[in-house]
Amino acid sequence: GIQVEQSPPDLILQEGANSTLRCNFSDSVNNLQWFHQNPWGQLINLFYIPSGTKQNGRLSATTVATERYSLLYISSSQTTDSGVYFCAVSSNTGKLIFGQGTTLQVKP
Amino acid sequence: DTGVSQNPRHKITKRGQNVTFRCDPISEHNRLYWYRQTLGQGPEFLTYFQNEAQLEKSRLLSDRFSAERPKGSFSTLEIQRTEQGDSAMYLCASSAYRAGDNEQFFGPGTRLTVL
Repeated sequence: GIQVEQSPPDLILQEGANSTLRCNFSDSVNNLQWFHQNPWGQLINLFYIPSGTKQNGRLSATTVATERYSLLYISSSQTTDSGVYFCAVSSNTGKLIFGQGTTLQVKP
Repeated sequence: DTGVSQNPRHKITKRGQNVTFRCDPISEHNRLYWYRQTLGQGPEFLTYFQNEAQLEKSRLLSDRFSAERPKGSFSTLEIQRTEQGDSAMYLCASSAYRAGDNEQFFGPGTRLTVL
């Protein structure tokens, strides 16, 4: 099955800094989503981005499907950005396969 | 659109007891997914439905687990004879599946603790 690797596993930033999270996947995919998991466990949709580039405020994402990776950019980070960021992909079956996540801590 | 809802939010049970969780998807979403997440890991797929048909089950879903979506709306996940290894967060997601678009939206989860 498809393998998903996220890097880095942990990231500590000062408030205001920028960061890039990476997601590599091992095969062609039809769906790629980025999520932020809050401290209560809720998965918040950030981007649905099987290919191309999208931006939403301080966050943007790029997926290069032909090279099997996606990047999530966080600019001017805030303490509320802290949490776990997951990349998840799916092929024809529709089920999402998640990476192990990147745990982000933003210090004031 | 009130989002995906799950009940209960927390469940504590003793080993050997049966438990049932409910998921209400976003209205008119035809696909409904169940995932399980243990501490420090990403969610893992369990099973999914398109309308009332259960189309795929993971090998993680042992014989003690059963899921239904009787009228193609809400779904239930039952675990019989719970074991301590069943302790996890159980997540439900739904999508309005069509070719080229299967964005999934998650509920808040049910956290199960088996004593």
